[in-house]
Amino acid sequence: SSELTQDPAVSVALGQTVKITCQGDSLRRYYASWYRQRPGQAPVLVLYDKDNRPSGIPERFSGSRSGNTASLTIAETQAEDEADYFCNCRDSSGYHWVFGGGTRLTVL
Amino acid sequence: EVRLLESGGGLVQPGGSLRLSCAASGFTFGAYAMSWVRQAPGRGPEWVSGITPSGYNTYYADSVKGRFTISRDSAENTLYLQMGGLSAEDTAIYYCAKYTAGLDGFDVWGQGTKVTVSS
Repeated sequence: SSELTQDPAVSVALGQTVKITCQGDSLRRYYASWYRQRPGQAPVLVLYDKDNRPSGIPERFSGSRSGNTASLTIAETQAEDEADYFCNCRDSSGYHWVFGGGTRLTVL
Repeated sequence: EVRLLESGGGLVQPGGSLRLSCAASGFTFGAYAMSWVRQAPGRGPEWVSGITPSGYNTYYADSVKGRFTISRDSAENTLYLQMGGLSAEDTAIYYCAKYTAGLDGFDVWGQGTKVTVSS
């Protein structure tokens, strides 16, 4: 299967650590990228190549992979982190891309 | 500043056609692969189509293959998506996205253009 599965919603207390997961067979072969999308805005790349951050993304964002599961961890979660988060990677062909359904992160 | 600006969206009847454009600026457009990604209301993004830097190779999601055509004009720094045989399932915000091989991800997105297929 080339699908990526995410929990629809996760909540975290302000200042705490939260892990958002993404499952799919393609993740055994390819690293996930992660995107943050705030309401009414386009997605923004926050993590790539398992655990690398584009410039401007805080060190609080980190990633990992185990088997068919990729994870995005946000430490010291801030109110500004409240958003939808999507994982993404190549499908089994290597030439197409798949996205997860997204996880809505609520900061309490 | 690296920027992508989509245009061409709108309301179209089922079975109709539409051509989307994406104007790129702030980077060497011809050096990067590009993709179109769409997002239906309340749904996750869906990759639609991709094109290599030269334009020689193109790729399509099964859901649009045979109906959509991606192309690029490096002289004009513009990416296109010609859409045909549209149905309600194609209703979405369409984003163009820059792919960077070193990241193996889409590091720049436009603001999107809305396509609504309805009678």
